[in-house]
Amino acid sequence: QSVLTQPPSASGTPGQRVTLSCSGSSSNIGSNSVHWYQQLPGTAPKLLIYSINQRPSGVPDRFSGSKSGTSASLAISGLQSEDEASYYCASWDGSLNGPVFGGGTKLTVL
Amino acid sequence: EVQLVQSGAEVKKPGESLTISCQGSGNSFDNYWIYWVRQMPGTGLQWVGRVNPEDSYVTYNPSFQGHVTISLVKSTNTAYLQWSTLRASDTAIYYCATALYGGNKAPIGFWGQGTLVTVSS
Repeated sequence: QSVLTQPPSASGTPGQRVTLSCSGSSSNIGSNSVHWYQQLPGTAPKLLIYSINQRPSGVPDRFSGSKSGTSASLAISGLQSEDEASYYCASWDGSLNGPVFGGGTKLTVL
Repeated sequence: EVQLVQSGAEVKKPGESLTISCQGSGNSFDNYWIYWVRQMPGTGLQWVGRVNPEDSYVTYNPSFQGHVTISLVKSTNTAYLQWSTLRASDTAIYYCATALYGGNKAPIGFWGQGTLVTVSS
């Protein structure tokens, strides 16, 4: 059982905009920043968004993040076939004194 | 660029001991927290513990406290994750990773390729 809650699956068609959600609590998202990771099949996770809406070098601006209260969202615009992957949200948890993750959303590009 | 290279896949029996490693290149192990993260088959990510390379201070996820040991050898830029008594439920991919920047709550920024640990009788 993951500390942060994500829907297990989502889908979209090429060119579409999709939004993935992540829900937490006051001890994590409510009082700390949110980060997102992309995991392609058979590979290690890769940092996609950090500090709510910052993109590391090399990440396309099609990816954007936001946060409101104890929830966060990752938006992907202009969906492409290579975006088919699992997406994990993460935050710091003050009760655990460590990072916590969501269970991941598997995105399918139809 | 930060590169983390982990040791290869392991197959062990319940009750056996195991140590897996993660060697960093460049400045990856100089100042930023080093993490171990577990991913059980077909599931999400879970923080195991982390070590501060400045003083080798280690903190553990309470769920793993007492079952694993994390250590660091700075002279070789190598971090270790160790079990003295493996269980079948330890079967998972274990990733080492480093923080993106300094600070206690900095996000994990760089990941190793993962080490698959299989525990089966």
